[in-house]
Amino acid sequence: QSALTQPPSASGSPGQSVTISCTGTSSDVGAYNYVSWYRRHPGKAPKLMIYEVNKRPSGVPDRFSGSKSGNTASLTVSGLQAEDEADYYCSSYAGSNNWVFGGGTKLTVL
Amino acid sequence: QVQLVQSGAEVRKPGASVKVSCKASGYTFSAYYMHWVRQAPGQGLEWMGWIDPNSGGTDYAQKFQGRVTMTRDTSISTAYMELSRLRSDDTAVYFCAKSYSSTSFDYWGQGTLVTVSS
Repeated sequence: QSALTQPPSASGSPGQSVTISCTGTSSDVGAYNYVSWYRRHPGKAPKLMIYEVNKRPSGVPDRFSGSKSGNTASLTVSGLQAEDEADYYCSSYAGSNNWVFGGGTKLTVL
Repeated sequence: QVQLVQSGAEVRKPGASVKVSCKASGYTFSAYYMHWVRQAPGQGLEWMGWIDPNSGGTDYAQKFQGRVTMTRDTSISTAYMELSRLRSDDTAVYFCAKSYSSTSFDYWGQGTLVTVSS
């Protein structure tokens, strides 16, 4: 499978909202509601922020939301905070017990 | 609390093999698939495969078929990922990640840097 496509960078000022896209195909993102999003600070392990398109694990603030339309999923971060500056990765189930990740988006809080 | 603790950094020559361990604690090890994901320098995350700690069953990304072997030792709640015939482009940080809701990965190891260099 090819990697999912994410913009290399995104930015916003504190308090603003930013949306990161994740484009796949009809075999992965478009086929299953199994898109998840991860935040990774430099040198740290990734952290699950959204699973199954729009569900938040316990402890993740409701400033983080997810959605999907067709072959493109999106992560929206509202009320940007300094701690949100990190790399964000999307992932999707791709069928046949396989998963695929995106190339990552570096979010900068201005 | 759930913890995944991986083995330390490794340096290998091209053509060699490396085996990374991932010791789980804080949950029932056999109840959740364990995935392996890697990140090469400046690149995104790349899914490598999974192991079912209960049965030992595995599934690997096509890219790694024939070079990767995932095993586990349930007596010590530890999963292993062995990659053989290493190349320079296998230089990466390798993560183990616990399956969540069968659709995502909720806990990750701290990562193990594998450097392949002659």
